[in-house]
Amino acid sequence: QKEVEQDPGPLSVPEGAIVSLNCTYSNSAFQYFMWYRQYSRKGPELLMYTYSSGNKEDGRFTAQVDKSSKYISLFIRDSQPSDSATYLCAMSRSAGGFKTIFGAGTRLFVKA
Amino acid sequence: ETGVTQSPTHLIKTRGQQVTLRCSSQSGHNTVSWYQQALGQGPQFIFQYYREEENGRGNFPPRFSGLQFPNYSSELNVNALELDDSALYLCASSLPQGNQNTGELFFGEGSRLTVL
Repeated sequence: QKEVEQDPGPLSVPEGAIVSLNCTYSNSAFQYFMWYRQYSRKGPELLMYTYSSGNKEDGRFTAQVDKSSKYISLFIRDSQPSDSATYLCAMSRSAGGFKTIFGAGTRLFVKA
Repeated sequence: ETGVTQSPTHLIKTRGQQVTLRCSSQSGHNTVSWYQQALGQGPQFIFQYYREEENGRGNFPPRFSGLQFPNYSSELNVNALELDDSALYLCASSLPQGNQNTGELFFGEGSRLTVL
């Protein structure tokens, strides 16, 4: 069993839809939870960062962490074609990005 | 402020050869991590360097080695290349450890290695 499981998709939605992406994990020691976005032929860039359980909102993006269920989610409201990318969940046990573990990534396509 | 830069962007090697990939970290970042991203997969942690010392390693064999220099730039060396080493190799820098509010990795665009 992988430490982090993420459905690779692809996920195709119409413009304006609400997108829900999620990951499950097995290691209860993870404390830092992140979502990265990766455009084709580019390196990943951080979208959202959360410490421990709870919700965090930033514009059209909301990240949720449920440590009791070992489940994290990213919601994208009013999705745009420019949101088309691969979304990677990531987590680590300590600060500073040390040994960050990534999911396989979900490919998202937002159709105009 | 310059971001993370990697070189070369693309390269082709044959089985058994050796390769060196280079990375310049973002200004002010003294920690560098290397990741391997196979096609359709997420990045896999290879190792991390902090103050020129390796301070963490993932599940990669010893033929994967690295260096960090006093200016915090870094190299990834892979010996005895195998076909399965074909991947995008990503370098990421991060702020000094000890900052409890930081988990962000700043990635370069990667070096795409093809092993034939």
